[in-house]
Amino acid sequence: ETGVTQTPRHLVMGMTNKKSLKCEQHLGHNAMYWYKQSAKKPLELMFVYNFKEQTENNSVPSRFSPECPNSSHLFLHLHTLQPEDSALYLCASSQGDRGRSFGYTFGSGTRLTVV
Amino acid sequence: KNQVEQSPQSLIILEGKNCTLQCNYTVSPFSNLRWYKQDTGRGPVSLTIMTFSENTKSNGRYTATLDADTKQSSLHITASQLSDSASYICVVSETNAGKSTFGDGTTLTVKP
Repeated sequence: ETGVTQTPRHLVMGMTNKKSLKCEQHLGHNAMYWYKQSAKKPLELMFVYNFKEQTENNSVPSRFSPECPNSSHLFLHLHTLQPEDSALYLCASSQGDRGRSFGYTFGSGTRLTVV
Repeated sequence: KNQVEQSPQSLIILEGKNCTLQCNYTVSPFSNLRWYKQDTGRGPVSLTIMTFSENTKSNGRYTATLDADTKQSSLHITASQLSDSASYICVVSETNAGKSTFGDGTTLTVKP
């Protein structure tokens, strides 16, 4: 384990469902991130939170709704997704927003399949 | 625009052989460069991190080099093992905003 825990590991959902992805870090980091990785494609940054405040939204569709109740927990609420949203969703944390420079710690990801 | 280009896109080698992966970047002002290993369906795991003043860093059979003048880095894998089969991602960060640019990765396959 890296210190960043994501649940569930796998998720299959219909296009009308509502589900949530959870990420938890026990590293004392201040910043948390959501990334999307589609099949055979590079990582795409979705959202950045620093001290619970959203500092970056990379033009993500509103069907993805992040929530960061504290510096240790990050959620990604999903609703009315499309099949093309099927991907590996990765959570990461780092020591401070500028501390991205000092390296991310990634979770193992949630493999999402939208049917 | 900051860019990170990795080559080759994919590589197949036999177990026990050495290989070198390349990363060229245009990120400026440069803060650090990191190499990650990502197994299929898993999150990336950090291998090395190098700042401007460092030009080589090792982590077991992995050795990363950095030439900040030419803006090039390489990751050398010695005596490859089947478990080295993964995607290797180069990430370069800039100093001011702390933003990071990810490369597309090199997919390495080690065959017995």
